[in-house]
Amino acid sequence: DIQLTQSPSFLSASVGDTVTITCRASQGIAGYLAWYQQKPGKAPKLLIYTALTLQSGVPSRFSGGESGTDFTLTISSLQPEDFATYYCQQLNSYPLTFGGGTKVEIK
Amino acid sequence: QLQLQESGSGLVKPSETLSLTCAVSGDSISSGGYSWSWIRQSPGKGLEWIGYIYHSGGIYYNPSLKSRVTLSVDRSKNQFSLKLSSVTAADTAVYYCARSSRISVDPWGQGTLVTVSS
Repeated sequence: DIQLTQSPSFLSASVGDTVTITCRASQGIAGYLAWYQQKPGKAPKLLIYTALTLQSGVPSRFSGGESGTDFTLTISSLQPEDFATYYCQQLNSYPLTFGGGTKVEIK
Repeated sequence: QLQLQESGSGLVKPSETLSLTCAVSGDSISSGGYSWSWIRQSPGKGLEWIGYIYHSGGIYYNPSLKSRVTLSVDRSKNQFSLKLSSVTAADTAVYYCARSSRISVDPWGQGTLVTVSS
């Protein structure tokens, strides 16, 4: 199975900050990586797919990056509604796997 | 707008079989290009993908659960189902159904909590 290591697991930030979350794959995944946002009691919501492509309706302050087996999710100018937990997922090979999550909390 | 809704037993006794159904509305489950997945989330193991099924019946199971999982699809009712046998407390989780493709899992159902307890 492909392992996805997310860092940090916890992040404290203020409204207006820019934050970056990293997801490292244990082997190459050819860019088949998605990012999800999850709020308490809700299902994960797709933000980005194929590492870089913003899902329709997702604010442009969210962006994805890719460098080899390292992937990033950047949130520019953090808004109150962005405080949530974020997960990466690889879809290159089965079984599909997820990162351990990054909880973004208000400082 | 595609929507998915899980239903089924919320409390299952150890060693018994967990059964859940996912009703799909807003599109046909037979639409090409998509598979239909089950994913679960527990505090101890995070998000775990269980498997997917195509409307044609093609199936892939996570090897970690393969011996206990059965997925099926009912095209006439536009729904698909999950059965997980010989459950233990480790199977306690929120179970989600979702539409999946080569590039993403979207949308997800709201999720249903299944507790394994006697």
